[in-house]
Amino acid sequence: SQTIHQWPATLVQPVGSPLSLECTVEGTSNPNLYWYRQAAGRGLQLLFYSIGIDQISSEVPQNLSASRPQDRQFILSSKKLLLSDSGFYLCASATRRDTEAFFGQGTRLTVV
Amino acid sequence: GENVEQHPSTLSVQEGDSAVIKCTYSDSASNYFPWYKQELGKGPQLIIDIRSNVGEKKDQRIAVTLNKTAKHFSLHITETQPEDSAVYFCAASGPSGGSYIPTFGRGTSLIVHP
Repeated sequence: SQTIHQWPATLVQPVGSPLSLECTVEGTSNPNLYWYRQAAGRGLQLLFYSIGIDQISSEVPQNLSASRPQDRQFILSSKKLLLSDSGFYLCASATRRDTEAFFGQGTRLTVV
Repeated sequence: GENVEQHPSTLSVQEGDSAVIKCTYSDSASNYFPWYKQELGKGPQLIIDIRSNVGEKKDQRIAVTLNKTAKHFSLHITETQPEDSAVYFCAASGPSGGSYIPTFGRGTSLIVHP
């Protein structure tokens, strides 16, 4: 099975500061990778997905961007954080064959 | 795209009772239906899944049923225990352009009272 490493676990950042969240995957190659945000209310909102290196699709227009510089590395970034960017960010990975999604432990981002 | 509706949003039961969570989906091409359990402060974890060629699947106290005609699937937990308390998500995915993007329901907060 796959293991998703996501860090940091908790982050407090001032408004206007940059952001970089990193996610790496073990146990598979060429996975689909996803970034989700979970705001209060529990729903999982898909932000970005990637089917390969440098292939990123955005689901929601926002203040964030994503990059995939290596096959098993997925990065979520922002140049200037907004208060509304606060939330619980989850990275996930799925192979085309299995389709089960494996999640990281999440990053709790608080923008102050 | 796919749309997944999940009910109820909150479910409160007594220990030992059964719990049922229901989901509907819109895309008839979806062929994989996983259920995830999310404990507080952690990422969701798969607890059971079902594929479109199967109507029911059981794993000890949990079971999932799928009705492809009606496009709905359900999670059944019997003999609930306090450690079953968590948020549960259903999801649906399929070969939508080859990307296999899982679409999640909004989640059900299950509370099991001892």
